[in-house]
Amino acid sequence: QPVLTQSSSASASLGSSVKLTCTLSNGHSTYIIAWHQQQPGKAPRYLMKLEGGGNYNKGSGVPDRFSGSSSGADRYLTISNLQSEDEADYYCETWDSNTRVFGGGTKLTVL
Amino acid sequence: EVQLVESGGGLVQPGRSLRLSCAASGFTFDDYAMHWVRQPPGKGLEWVSGISWNSGSIDYADSVKGRFTISRDNAKNSLYLQMNSLRAEDTALYYCAKDSTGNTVTSDGMDVWGQGTTVTVSS
Repeated sequence: QPVLTQSSSASASLGSSVKLTCTLSNGHSTYIIAWHQQQPGKAPRYLMKLEGGGNYNKGSGVPDRFSGSSSGADRYLTISNLQSEDEADYYCETWDSNTRVFGGGTKLTVL
Repeated sequence: EVQLVESGGGLVQPGRSLRLSCAASGFTFDDYAMHWVRQPPGKGLEWVSGISWNSGSIDYADSVKGRFTISRDNAKNSLYLQMNSLRAEDTALYYCAKDSTGNTVTSDGMDVWGQGTTVTVSS
């Protein structure tokens, strides 16, 4: 089954941009993933589906500041014009024939 | 408004059972696969189980296989998780999540999440 690897933490300044990475394991580089945001004390929120070719479809109400891209086995979430409410944990998710997998999550700090 | 509301969590002794429920509203429940996902205190998300729109496909994480049973009642717009032989390591916040498709094989991800219900397994 696929494994998703994420950096444990990231930080960026208010108003700047940040690019978070989710890496698929060997043999799974073409897999589609989803990105989720979990603000402190809240339930996860679906952000987008992201394909291996870089096409992405965002969930309802997700701001334009959020975008996705891909390169090989890497799937990226870029957040532009960072706001204080973007400080959260970000998880990637993927799926195989009979399982779902989450990455370990990246804790984003907005400075 | 699309909404998922979990219930049934609580404090339970090791080895005992608990049944979680998830009430869905605001969408056509029987069009979509559903999942249970848990989050231990201070840790990340762990998928527990998934069920297709018609209960024809059911999957479990290895950590719960043989102990947990997922089910759904489309007439009641409800999802369930029967948890038996509970262990301390099952302690977590349990989320109900809607899939973006009707089956558990092809997907665009889990696109709606409930607020969760807390399960604590302790003597």
